[in-house]
Amino acid sequence: SQKIEQNSEALNIQEGKTATLTCNYTNYSPAYLQWYRQDPGRGPVFLLLIRENEKEKRKERLKVTFDTTLKQSLFHITASQPADSATYLCALEGSGGGADGLTFGKGTHLIIQP
Amino acid sequence: DGGITQSPKYLFRKEGQNVTLSCEQNLNHDAMYWYRQDPGQGLRLIYYSQIVNDFQKGDIAEGYSVSREKKESFPLTVTSAQKNPTAFYLCASSIGLRGTTTDTQYFGPGTRLTVL
Repeated sequence: SQKIEQNSEALNIQEGKTATLTCNYTNYSPAYLQWYRQDPGRGPVFLLLIRENEKEKRKERLKVTFDTTLKQSLFHITASQPADSATYLCALEGSGGGADGLTFGKGTHLIIQP
Repeated sequence: DGGITQSPKYLFRKEGQNVTLSCEQNLNHDAMYWYRQDPGQGLRLIYYSQIVNDFQKGDIAEGYSVSREKKESFPLTVTSAQKNPTAFYLCASSIGLRGTTTDTQYFGPGTRLTVL
């Protein structure tokens, strides 16, 4: 069955440094991968999407890479700020393609310390 | 002000009662979804609907029911058959089949259900 793994332990990063989060998947050949941010008690918010034929995608201080050989995506936040503290979710299209929803990882809790 | 809304924000239920969670969107999206989130867990898909009057079971549909009578609305009923209903429930919508294949989802603020 499809499986997505994100580091379940909290990631503590000093303000101003680059935070790197990892998403690994197995038994998948997704056409794209998405990253969401979730704050406590709130719904996830879409951040970035990267397709299988794209190696890297950037949006302001965010960068996502997608290695289909390693079956891994890396999510980077440069010049991190305390306001970046949140849980970040990796999501892949479901087994039936995007039409039947996404499969989410458990998320990585990121803490940016001032 | 476009978006997706859920109500109520907090809901308390006695054992044996059915409760219905509301989800409304004005984004003109065809697809709508219900997820359940437990502490330390990822989002798990309960039901989804790609078009009005049609819906499909997700990974954990047992003890839940839905309806899709209007494009804008996708209510979820948590029945007494759901053995462990206390959780955070999230509704989402996306453009659906008529859009691109990259089905970005827009989430509501969630409903926290507690069984007393």
